Amino acid sequence: DGGITQSPKYLFRKEGQNVTLSCEQNLNHDAMYWYRQDPGQGLRLIYYSQIVNDFQKGDIAEGYSVSREKKESFPLTVTSAQKNPTAFYLCASSIGAVTEAFFGQGTRLTVV
Amino acid sequence: QQQVKQSPQSLIVQKGGISIINCAYENTAFDYFPWYQQFPGKGPALLIAIRPDVSEKKEGRFTISFNKSAKQFSLHIMDSQPGDSATYFCAATNYAGGTSYGKLTFGQGTILTVHP
Repeated sequence: DGGITQSPKYLFRKEGQNVTLSCEQNLNHDAMYWYRQDPGQGLRLIYYSQIVNDFQKGDIAEGYSVSREKKESFPLTVTSAQKNPTAFYLCASSIGAVTEAFFGQGTRLTVV
Repeated sequence: QQQVKQSPQSLIVQKGGISIINCAYENTAFDYFPWYQQFPGKGPALLIAIRPDVSEKKEGRFTISFNKSAKQFSLHIMDSQPGDSATYFCAATNYAGGTSYGKLTFGQGTILTVHP
């Protein structure tokens, strides 16, 4: 089955620790995105990548980092610099600029 | 800066009724307006989308109405069903500006509850 796989579904970390969220897609999509969802605020774009080895900051990139070494993978690292990391993180992908974005099932990160 | 404002925050409708969710945008460069549906614990899924060259688009029970001069668009769900209970997000992007359909600005979301 083609799709976007985010893992793990739930993640708990202690404050001050970096954590990496996984996003893998087998749709052969060129573009990938990371969004953060908080209650009452909708989704906000963290980073996006339109091709391998290239990525751009979104609206709320501070405290996050990404890499895009392979077309299928776009991991997101939540660093200790992110002041409020507890949130629902969503990965998405699209066929370059020509189709709508398809979303994964999300990772709920809780920092205690 | 919130560029897409969505209302209401929550909506309760009886089965068979019409659900209406409204969005207003500020950026006149936006040229693609999708609506996403999200069930609890899941990622959003594209429901229907519209471009500003048309005033209305209908797919089954779902209709988008678009008013370019007022910079507003709305989602109408006809004959609402309990299975439609979910969170709905409007969104917008500037595709012609060289960006992609996935680089979206979202509204705050509307929690729709349809009572049987």
